[in-house]
Amino acid sequence: GAVVSQHPSWVICKSGTSVKIECRSLDFQATTMFWYRQFPKQSLMLMATSNEGSKATYEQGVEKDKFLINHASLTLSTLTVTSAHPEDSSFYICSAYSSGETSYNEQFFGPGTRLTVL
Amino acid sequence: AQSVTQLDSQVPVFEEAPVELRCNYSSSVSVYLFWYVQYPNQGLQLLLKYLSGSTLVKGINGFEAEFNKSQTSFHLRKPSVHISDTAEYFCAVSYTGGGNKLTFGTGTQLKVEL
Repeated sequence: GAVVSQHPSWVICKSGTSVKIECRSLDFQATTMFWYRQFPKQSLMLMATSNEGSKATYEQGVEKDKFLINHASLTLSTLTVTSAHPEDSSFYICSAYSSGETSYNEQFFGPGTRLTVL
Repeated sequence: AQSVTQLDSQVPVFEEAPVELRCNYSSSVSVYLFWYVQYPNQGLQLLLKYLSGSTLVKGINGFEAEFNKSQTSFHLRKPSVHISDTAEYFCAVSYTGGGNKLTFGTGTQLKVEL
Protein backbone atom coordinates (compact mmCIF):
# COMPACT_ATOMS: atom_id res chain seq x y z
CA GLY A 1 0.00 0.00 0.00
CA ALA A 2 0.89 3.66 -0.25
CA VAL A 3 2.92 5.30 2.49
CA VAL A 4 2.02 8.43 4.43
CA SER A 5 4.44 9.98 6.90
CA GLN A 6 3.98 12.54 9.62
CA HIS A 7 6.53 14.78 11.25
CA PRO A 8 7.17 15.13 14.07
CA SER A 9 5.98 11.91 15.68
CA TRP A 10 5.71 13.73 18.98
CA VAL A 11 6.10 17.28 20.20
CA ILE A 12 5.96 19.05 23.53
CA CYS A 13 5.43 22.78 23.57
CA LYS A 14 4.63 25.58 25.95
CA SER A 15 1.18 27.10 26.17
CA GLY A 16 0.79 29.99 23.76
CA THR A 17 3.22 28.77 21.14
CA SER A 18 2.37 27.44 17.68
CA VAL A 19 3.16 23.97 16.41
CA LYS A 20 3.32 22.77 12.83
CA ILE A 21 2.68 19.15 11.87
CA GLU A 22 3.54 17.85 8.41
CA CYS A 23 1.80 15.10 6.51
CA ARG A 24 3.47 13.71 3.41
CA SER A 25 2.46 11.14 0.85
CA LEU A 26 5.73 9.44 0.00
CA ASP A 27 4.95 7.40 -3.10
CA PHE A 28 1.79 8.87 -4.56
CA GLN A 29 0.20 12.20 -5.25
CA ALA A 30 -2.52 12.99 -2.77
CA THR A 31 -5.30 15.10 -4.16
CA THR A 32 -6.99 15.09 -0.80
CA MET A 33 -5.76 14.81 2.77
CA PHE A 34 -7.80 14.54 5.94
CA TRP A 35 -6.82 15.64 9.42
CA TYR A 36 -8.17 13.78 12.45
CA ARG A 37 -7.89 14.27 16.16
CA GLN A 38 -7.96 11.42 18.64
CA PHE A 39 -8.30 11.79 22.39
CA PRO A 40 -7.01 9.00 24.66
CA LYS A 41 -9.03 5.84 24.34
CA GLN A 42 -11.47 7.52 21.98
CA SER A 43 -12.26 7.41 18.32
CA LEU A 44 -10.95 9.57 15.50
CA MET A 45 -12.80 12.80 14.88
CA LEU A 46 -12.46 14.39 11.47
CA MET A 47 -11.24 17.95 11.76
CA ALA A 48 -10.91 19.06 8.17
CA THR A 49 -10.55 18.04 4.55
CA SER A 50 -7.61 19.47 2.66
CA ASN A 51 -7.52 19.64 -1.13
CA GLU A 52 -4.39 20.63 -2.98
CA GLY A 53 -4.41 24.25 -4.03
CA SER A 54 -7.62 25.22 -2.27
CA LYS A 55 -8.81 26.18 1.17
CA ALA A 56 -9.48 23.45 3.66
CA THR A 57 -13.02 22.52 4.59
CA TYR A 58 -13.49 22.33 8.33
CA GLU A 59 -15.97 20.18 10.21
CA GLN A 60 -18.53 21.81 12.41
CA GLY A 61 -17.07 22.94 15.71
CA VAL A 62 -13.45 23.07 14.54
CA GLU A 63 -11.88 26.52 14.78
CA LYS A 64 -10.27 27.25 11.44
CA ASP A 65 -8.25 30.13 12.84
CA LYS A 66 -6.78 27.90 15.47
CA PHE A 67 -6.07 24.90 13.29
CA LEU A 68 -4.51 26.26 10.12
CA ILE A 69 -4.27 23.79 7.28
CA ASN A 70 -2.22 24.27 4.15
CA HIS A 71 -2.09 21.82 1.26
CA ALA A 72 0.62 23.42 -0.83
CA SER A 73 1.49 20.48 -3.02
CA LEU A 74 0.23 17.06 -4.02
CA THR A 75 2.51 15.43 -1.47
CA LEU A 76 2.38 17.75 1.52
CA SER A 77 -0.24 19.11 3.88
CA THR A 78 0.50 20.93 7.11
CA LEU A 79 -1.56 21.48 10.23
CA THR A 80 -0.54 24.38 12.43
CA VAL A 81 -1.98 24.57 15.92
CA THR A 82 -1.82 28.26 16.76
CA SER A 83 -1.50 29.57 20.30
CA ALA A 84 -1.68 26.07 21.66
CA HIS A 85 -3.24 25.38 25.05
CA PRO A 86 -3.27 22.26 27.20
CA GLU A 87 -6.72 21.31 25.90
CA ASP A 88 -5.19 21.02 22.42
CA SER A 89 -3.06 18.13 23.63
CA SER A 90 -4.06 15.16 21.55
CA PHE A 91 -3.02 12.63 18.93
CA TYR A 92 -3.30 14.11 15.46
CA ILE A 93 -3.54 11.75 12.49
CA CYS A 94 -3.61 12.56 8.81
CA SER A 95 -4.74 10.44 5.91
CA ALA A 96 -4.37 10.87 2.19
CA TYR A 97 -5.76 9.52 -1.02
CA SER A 98 -5.47 10.04 -4.73
CA SER A 99 -8.72 10.37 -6.63
CA GLY A 100 -9.18 7.88 -9.40
CA GLU A 101 -11.79 6.30 -11.54
CA THR A 102 -13.14 3.98 -8.88
CA SER A 103 -16.15 4.87 -6.78
CA TYR A 104 -14.13 4.83 -3.61
CA ASN A 105 -10.52 5.79 -3.10
CA GLU A 106 -8.75 4.18 -0.18
CA GLN A 107 -7.35 6.48 2.46
CA PHE A 108 -3.86 5.81 3.70
CA PHE A 109 -3.13 6.88 7.25
CA GLY A 110 -0.05 8.46 8.71
CA PRO A 111 1.46 7.18 11.97
CA GLY A 112 0.16 10.15 13.96
CA THR A 113 1.68 13.01 15.96
CA ARG A 114 1.39 13.20 19.72
CA LEU A 115 1.07 16.83 20.82
CA THR A 116 1.49 17.74 24.48
CA VAL A 117 0.99 21.33 25.50
CA LEU A 118 2.35 22.27 28.90
CA ALA B 1 -26.66 11.46 8.84
CA GLN B 2 -24.67 8.32 9.28
CA SER B 3 -23.34 6.80 12.46
CA VAL B 4 -21.39 3.77 13.56
CA THR B 5 -21.91 1.84 16.78
CA GLN B 6 -19.42 -0.51 18.33
CA LEU B 7 -21.22 -1.89 21.33
CA ASP B 8 -18.22 -3.54 22.95
CA SER B 9 -15.57 -1.19 24.26
CA GLN B 10 -13.40 -4.09 25.40
CA VAL B 11 -13.28 -7.73 24.41
CA PRO B 12 -10.99 -10.06 26.35
CA VAL B 13 -10.30 -13.41 24.75
CA PHE B 14 -7.87 -16.26 25.24
CA GLU B 15 -5.25 -17.03 22.63
CA GLU B 16 -6.41 -19.40 19.87
CA ALA B 17 -10.06 -18.73 20.70
CA PRO B 18 -12.43 -17.25 18.11
CA VAL B 19 -13.53 -13.65 18.38
CA GLU B 20 -16.25 -11.44 16.95
CA LEU B 21 -16.19 -7.65 17.18
CA ARG B 22 -19.56 -6.09 16.52
CA CYS B 23 -20.30 -3.10 14.34
CA ASN B 24 -23.65 -1.62 13.39
CA TYR B 25 -24.23 1.40 11.22
CA SER B 26 -27.06 3.67 10.27
CA SER B 27 -27.34 5.43 6.96
CA SER B 28 -30.08 6.39 4.57
CA VAL B 29 -27.86 5.84 1.54
CA SER B 30 -25.53 3.17 0.26
CA VAL B 31 -22.34 2.81 2.26
CA TYR B 32 -18.84 1.49 2.12
CA LEU B 33 -17.66 -0.27 5.26
CA PHE B 34 -14.22 -0.67 6.77
CA TRP B 35 -12.35 -2.18 9.67
CA TYR B 36 -9.10 -0.64 10.84
CA VAL B 37 -6.62 -1.75 13.47
CA GLN B 38 -4.57 0.62 15.60
CA TYR B 39 -1.59 -0.42 17.69
CA PRO B 40 -0.50 1.85 20.56
CA ASN B 41 0.76 5.24 19.44
CA GLN B 42 0.42 4.35 15.79
CA GLY B 43 -1.82 5.28 12.90
CA LEU B 44 -4.51 3.10 11.42
CA GLN B 45 -4.03 0.08 9.24
CA LEU B 46 -6.78 -1.16 6.98
CA LEU B 47 -7.87 -4.72 7.80
CA LEU B 48 -10.59 -5.08 5.20
CA LYS B 49 -13.28 -3.21 3.36
CA TYR B 50 -16.64 -3.81 1.74
CA LEU B 51 -17.40 -1.75 -1.33
CA SER B 52 -19.73 -4.04 -3.26
CA GLY B 53 -20.16 -7.63 -4.38
CA SER B 54 -19.76 -10.58 -2.05
CA THR B 55 -20.97 -9.82 1.43
CA LEU B 56 -18.21 -11.92 3.02
CA VAL B 57 -14.97 -10.00 2.94
CA LYS B 58 -11.60 -11.44 3.81
CA GLY B 59 -8.82 -9.23 5.03
CA ILE B 60 -5.31 -9.36 6.35
CA ASN B 61 -4.08 -11.31 9.36
CA GLY B 62 -6.85 -13.89 9.03
CA PHE B 63 -9.72 -11.50 9.71
CA GLU B 64 -13.01 -11.52 7.85
CA ALA B 65 -16.26 -9.58 8.05
CA GLU B 66 -19.75 -10.04 6.73
CA PHE B 67 -21.93 -7.25 5.46
CA ASN B 68 -25.55 -7.75 6.48
CA LYS B 69 -27.71 -5.09 4.91
CA SER B 70 -30.93 -6.11 6.60
CA GLN B 71 -29.33 -5.91 10.03
CA THR B 72 -27.09 -2.98 9.07
CA SER B 73 -24.14 -4.80 10.53
CA PHE B 74 -20.54 -5.47 9.58
CA HIS B 75 -19.13 -7.70 12.30
CA LEU B 76 -15.46 -8.61 12.31
CA ARG B 77 -14.42 -12.18 13.03
CA LYS B 78 -11.30 -14.27 13.43
CA PRO B 79 -11.44 -18.02 14.07
CA SER B 80 -8.27 -18.13 16.18
CA VAL B 81 -6.62 -15.09 17.70
CA HIS B 82 -3.00 -14.53 18.57
CA ILE B 83 -1.36 -12.39 21.23
CA SER B 84 -0.23 -10.04 18.48
CA ASP B 85 -3.86 -9.27 17.65
CA THR B 86 -4.12 -7.23 20.85
CA ALA B 87 -4.98 -3.76 19.60
CA GLU B 88 -7.78 -1.25 19.12
CA TYR B 89 -10.18 -1.99 16.29
CA PHE B 90 -12.29 0.65 14.58
CA CYS B 91 -15.24 0.16 12.32
CA ALA B 92 -15.84 2.98 9.84
CA VAL B 93 -18.39 3.90 7.20
CA SER B 94 -18.29 6.12 4.16
CA TYR B 95 -21.33 6.84 2.07
CA THR B 96 -21.41 7.00 -1.69
CA GLY B 97 -20.98 10.54 -2.90
CA GLY B 98 -19.65 11.60 0.47
CA GLY B 99 -16.25 12.68 -0.71
CA ASN B 100 -14.47 9.73 0.89
CA LYS B 101 -15.15 11.00 4.41
CA LEU B 102 -15.02 8.32 7.05
CA THR B 103 -17.16 8.16 10.16
CA PHE B 104 -15.58 6.02 12.84
CA GLY B 105 -17.07 3.99 15.62
CA THR B 106 -15.81 4.41 19.16
CA GLY B 107 -13.48 1.45 18.88
CA THR B 108 -13.14 -1.95 20.53
CA GLN B 109 -10.09 -2.89 22.54
CA LEU B 110 -9.24 -6.51 21.83
CA LYS B 111 -7.10 -8.02 24.55
CA VAL B 112 -5.75 -11.47 23.86
CA GLU B 113 -4.59 -13.37 26.93
CA LEU B 114 -2.57 -16.52 27.34
